[in-house]
Amino acid sequence: DIQMTQSPSTLSASVGDRVTITCRASQSINNWLAWYQQKSGKAPKLLIYRASSLESGVPSRFSGSGSGTEFTLTISSLQPDDFATYYCQQYMNYQTFGQGTKVEI
Amino acid sequence: QVQLQESGPGLVKPSETLSLTCAVSGYSISSDYYWGWIRQPPGKGLEWIGNIYHNDITHYNPSLKNRVTISVDTSKNQFSLKLTSVTAGDTAVYFCASRSSGWPFGDWGQGTLVTVSS
Repeated sequence: DIQMTQSPSTLSASVGDRVTITCRASQSINNWLAWYQQKSGKAPKLLIYRASSLESGVPSRFSGSGSGTEFTLTISSLQPDDFATYYCQQYMNYQTFGQGTKVEI
Repeated sequence: QVQLQESGPGLVKPSETLSLTCAVSGYSISSDYYWGWIRQPPGKGLEWIGNIYHNDITHYNPSLKNRVTISVDTSKNQFSLKLTSVTAGDTAVYFCASRSSGWPFGDWGQGTLVTVSS
C-alpha cells in the first residue's frame, strides 16, 4: 500500500499570508497526486490534479508542485474563503489520502 | 457534469450490513468512468473504500476488502455499496464520487451520515 503523509496537521495563518502544505508518499507516485479542499459538512473539492495542474474554476493563488515522493500545495495569498482542511491523494495505485491539514485563523 | 446523490439508512445495528446507493445523473453508469465510495469518520480524514469500472471491474481498499461489495444497476443508472459485519468504527459520512481513468475524483455526492449503533 502507498502511504501519504501530510505536514503540518494544523496551520495557523492570517489573510494575505503565503501558505505551504507538504505531502510525502511512501514510494514514487510520479505525478499522480491531487489536492482537495474540504469545508465543514461539505464534500471535498478538487483543486489540483497531476501534482501541478489547476482544476477549472480554481483561483490561480493555488498552485501545486513536486514529483516522485514529495509534493507541495501553495496558497500565494490566503483569502478568508481558504480557511478549510486540505487533503492530498495519490491515484497511481488505487487511491490513498493524506491525513489532512487544517488551515485556521 | 456528473451529479451524484447518496441514499440509504442513517442508522445500522452492529453486525448488520450497511447498504447505500448512489444515483447518477448527467452521465451513463455504463460509460468509461470509475464510480467510487469514500468515507469520513466524524472529525477524521478521508478513507477510500473502493471503485467499480465497466460495470463489473472492482477495486477495494485492502483493509476493507473482505467486507465490501460495490455493484452497478444499469437499469436505474446507479451504483451501490454493501459493507457487512459493521461496528461502531464504521460510523462515518459516506461519499460517492466519480472519475475518469488517469484522473482523481472530480465529482462528489453531498455525503450521507451512517451511524452504527444498537
